[in-house]
Amino acid sequence: DAGITQSPRHKVTETGTPVTLRCHQTENHRYMYWYRQDPGHGLRLIHYSYGVKDTDKGEVSDGYSVSRSKTEDFLLTLESATSSQTSVYFCAIATHMNTEAFFGQGTRLTVV
Amino acid sequence: QQPVQSPQAVILREGEDAVINCSSSKALYSVHWYRQKHGEAPVFLMILLKGGEQKGHDKISASFNEKKQQSSLYLTASQLSYSGTYFCGTERDSSASKIIFGSGTRLSIRP
Repeated sequence: DAGITQSPRHKVTETGTPVTLRCHQTENHRYMYWYRQDPGHGLRLIHYSYGVKDTDKGEVSDGYSVSRSKTEDFLLTLESATSSQTSVYFCAIATHMNTEAFFGQGTRLTVV
Repeated sequence: QQPVQSPQAVILREGEDAVINCSSSKALYSVHWYRQKHGEAPVFLMILLKGGEQKGHDKISASFNEKKQQSSLYLTASQLSYSGTYFCGTERDSSASKIIFGSGTRLSIRP
């Protein structure tokens, strides 16, 4: 299995609070992605990174920010959590473009 | 823009065949296919690159028609282990690393 760890695995937070999810990899892969998964919508890309300090927006980036200061860590921050951000969040990594992506085990976030 | 998958759900008996389609309104460079079991992370099945190739392993194969921006996943002689949700993911050019996924096809295999 690819060395990719998401933390925390589960989190319940209150509306309006900031939340940071962490994706850590030990594979030295260049590309890292954050997706959210909701029933009926599949996997939607939030942000992705193509190198240290190089990030770009995905399909549903509003309300989210990311940072990648080291190759191994990709952080997703919800500046002020809302109930609509209740979801399962997956991190994925890939060595190159157009190659297999490996997914982390997911983080279930509930905003109450 | 998300690729469109069809059907949304399919129920098969063990041993039957299934085809899952994925289409995009934009030109594609590659198409990925993943399977996700309930409560687990998606797992890579295969990737097809621009060039209209067909790939496969075991009884699962796929084709990519770049002119039509369509890909199809073929599951033959389905097994119980094939149950899950199948996602296609698309990349639109060789210089962008964005993988955009469809909404998924739920496949249920009955004994």
